[in-house]
Amino acid sequence: QLLLQESGPGLVKPSETLSLTCNVSGGSIGPSGYYWGWLRQPPGKGLEWIASISSTANSHYNPAFKSRVAISVDTSKSHFALKLSSVAAADTAVYFCARQLWPEKFDLWGQGTQVIVAS
Amino acid sequence: SYELTQPLSVSVTLGQTARITCGGDNIEKTNAHWYQQKAGQAPVLVIYRDDNRPSGIPERFAGSNSGNTATLTISGAQAGDEADYFCQVWDGSTVVFGGGTKLTVL
Repeated sequence: QLLLQESGPGLVKPSETLSLTCNVSGGSIGPSGYYWGWLRQPPGKGLEWIASISSTANSHYNPAFKSRVAISVDTSKSHFALKLSSVAAADTAVYFCARQLWPEKFDLWGQGTQVIVAS
Repeated sequence: SYELTQPLSVSVTLGQTARITCGGDNIEKTNAHWYQQKAGQAPVLVIYRDDNRPSGIPERFAGSNSGNTATLTISGAQAGDEADYFCQVWDGSTVVFGGGTKLTVL
């Protein structure tokens, strides 16, 4: 059974870069027609898509983040990663990684990781 | 930008039918997906491409999409169905989520 697990710092200072990794276990992250995405959910709010990437590094970004986000994939390590630069308090959220049948449904999700932006 | 509108809350009596709507301009031209999110947990896909149930999702969950409204219908609502529900589409350039609906089972 495929499992996704996010990891990263729980606390990031304003103006710094947030780096998160999603480890995929129990199966291959390799060529399968799926994309691998990052989403977030601010406290008490709804879901927001950030970016998605294929195993061949074809990436798509939410225009709202495009200027400060980068997504990458490492199939040899079976993980993909997110970097979000110039973070502010508004970037405080639970960040989820998920498998996506591009550009449609997200059918498998990680448990999420809480990130707080504060000095 | 494309917007999806969901009611903030819906209440249903135990065992009755709940309907959660997701409004968007000509939403019927896209594929709508629905997620259930229980408190403190990750979302779970319950309906994809308008009216398809993933493996393991009870038949009580059904979806439809017509005109400007996609609808998630939960028949015979159970206490365990109490959760937030989000709709999602691809608008041609980005993934869009509705604001979410809190379902309360009375």
